Amino acid sequence: DAGVTQSPTHLIKTRGQHVTLRCSPISGHKSVSWYQQVLGQGPQFIFQYYEKEERGRGNFPDRFSARQFPNYSSELNVNALLLGDSALYLCASSPWSAGGQPQHFGDGTRLSIL
Amino acid sequence: GQSLEQPSEVTAVEGAIVQINCTYQTSGFYGLSWYQQHDGGAPTFLSYNALDGLEETGRFSSFLSRSDSYGYLLLQELQMKDSASYFCAVRDQGVEDGQNFVFGPGTRLSVLP
Repeated sequence: DAGVTQSPTHLIKTRGQHVTLRCSPISGHKSVSWYQQVLGQGPQFIFQYYEKEERGRGNFPDRFSARQFPNYSSELNVNALLLGDSALYLCASSPWSAGGQPQHFGDGTRLSIL
Repeated sequence: GQSLEQPSEVTAVEGAIVQINCTYQTSGFYGLSWYQQHDGGAPTFLSYNALDGLEETGRFSSFLSRSDSYGYLLLQELQMKDSASYFCAVRDQGVEDGQNFVFGPGTRLSVLP
């Protein structure tokens, strides 16, 4: 079975632009979470979606938004890009939302802002 | 606020045992998880503790003490392939009544021959 897939793998943008990152969860997983990971640090939680509804939101500005589609895939959108948005963006899926469900991570999208 | 603390680096030799500690301070608590991440790779799930005590999975064990807000990951019979970063993570109640996931800063483990 395919794992969590993310696209694109790498992306270069300039300040002020916007970006859309995509994630397909493991088949049968209904929960998708997004994280930002800066080099040398732990992943920082951005959003969690379950059954197409937002279930959690981290401490990120409104420039960050996300949605989940009927097939449980998800998009993360970032507007008005800043240099500080340069990071690895990780998507993780799990079967459902509650408890200590293991999160299965994709390989991430490395976003560079020039 | 919500915070987790881990040692930044740990070094050990092949075949040894190493313990990576994690202390947490969160507004709620729904269990402590551990993840491994090799350079350039994705985090992979290792273990989860919801209740106090020790959970064992092969060479890896994880311990939790909720009264002390403390847990650790124990790696036995270290192998070179265990060289990686290890993150503890907690799931607590976010400010918008959702589920907020908080990761620690990570511990970089170097296994020497």
